[in-house]
Formats: sequence, C-alpha cells, structure tokens
Amino acid sequence: KNQVEQSPQSLIILEGKNCTLQCNYTVSPFSNLRWYKQDTGRGPVSLTIMTFSENTKSNGRYTATLDADTKQSSLHITASQLSDSASYICVVSGSNDYKLSFGAGTTVTVRA
Amino acid sequence: EPEVTQTPSHQVTQMGQEVILRCVPISNHLYFYWYRQILGQKVEFLVSFYNNEISEKSEIFDDQFSVERPDGSNFTLKIRSTKLEDSAMYFCATQGGLAPIYNEQFFGPGTRLTVL
Repeated sequence: KNQVEQSPQSLIILEGKNCTLQCNYTVSPFSNLRWYKQDTGRGPVSLTIMTFSENTKSNGRYTATLDADTKQSSLHITASQLSDSASYICVVSGSNDYKLSFGAGTTVTVRA
Repeated sequence: EPEVTQTPSHQVTQMGQEVILRCVPISNHLYFYWYRQILGQKVEFLVSFYNNEISEKSEIFDDQFSVERPDGSNFTLKIRSTKLEDSAMYFCATQGGLAPIYNEQFFGPGTRLTVL
C-alpha cells in the first residue's frame, strides 16, 4: 500500500526562525511530490510540485527538496511568519494512476 | 485568479438522509476529484472523474456514493443514505491535464458535512 509518512507531527517555532519538515514515501512508481499548506477549516493550497528529476524547488520562503532515490523530501520554511501557522501536507502521486496519496501533515505553530 | 468553489459550506443532515455536495470547477479544467478529511485525520481520495465517467475510485467510495456532472458545469457528490461516519470535510479538486507539468490539483474550500 502506498504510504506517505511525515515528521514531526507538530512543531512550535518563534517568529523569524527557520524550520524543516520531513516526508518519506513508498509510492512506486513515482510521478511527482507536492507540498500543500492547509489552514484550519480550509482546502489545501499548493506550495511546490516536483517531478523525479527535480532536487529542489522554491516558492518564496518555502523551499522543498526531493531525493527520489531514498524517497525522501523536506520542506524548509525560512524566516517564519505568524501566517505560516498551518498544517503542511506532503502529497505523492504515482505514475500509474495520478491518484494522490496524502501524508497526515505537520502542524506548524508560529509564535510571536 | 480562478478558483474552485463549493456549496454549501456546511451541511447538517440526519442519518439515512441523502445529501448532494456541489462543486464548480475552474473553467476549462477536465479532471475532477472528491476527497474527504475526517476531523483530525489526513485527506483521503474518494474518486476521480474525467470525460463524464469515473476514472478511479477508492474503497471508501461504495454504492452509497455517486458523482456526476449534470449540466457540464457543476460537479456533484451524492451520498444516498448518510451514516454517522460520513461526517467529514469534503473537498473538490480540479485539474487541467494529466501531464506532470499540468497536473496541479486546485482544491475548493470544502463542505463540512455533519451527520446527526
């Protein structure tokens, strides 16, 4: 069964600090990996999407990395802001069906 | 910027009743999806829809569920006889194309379904 595991489950950081979230997956064959931001009670919003040939992709203060060999990805948030408080979800798509497999998310709380 | 819209934002229903959740996709998008998220749990795939038929469905999407695009605009999810465990947030997502560069899925704001 295709799985996406994220760590940590939650974290608290001070405004202005950096943090890194981890994602491990077993989806195979692999098509692409996305990171989504989900505010409470809202739909997920895409941050980055990477195919197997991409190692890193940035979107403002968000930088995602991908190691398709080890099936690992990370999302780095630089100079965190209060508005970064949300759940960050790692989502993997397999090349056979394009169905998305979601991780459970990492809840990030940014405090002033 | 184009966005996916969903109605209603919140639906309360009695167990055993039928509910229809509606989604208006981004114009010109061809692929449509329903997902659900039970409170505190991860998002789960329900069904994908293309060219007026289901292309894939999960084990969650049993005979109680159906989808259709009745008027070429709205994309609906029907639950025929709701159960308590159907209480969840239901998200619609739409996509322009299947090629990786295009298969960005755009999510709607969700409909919160509460079954009493």
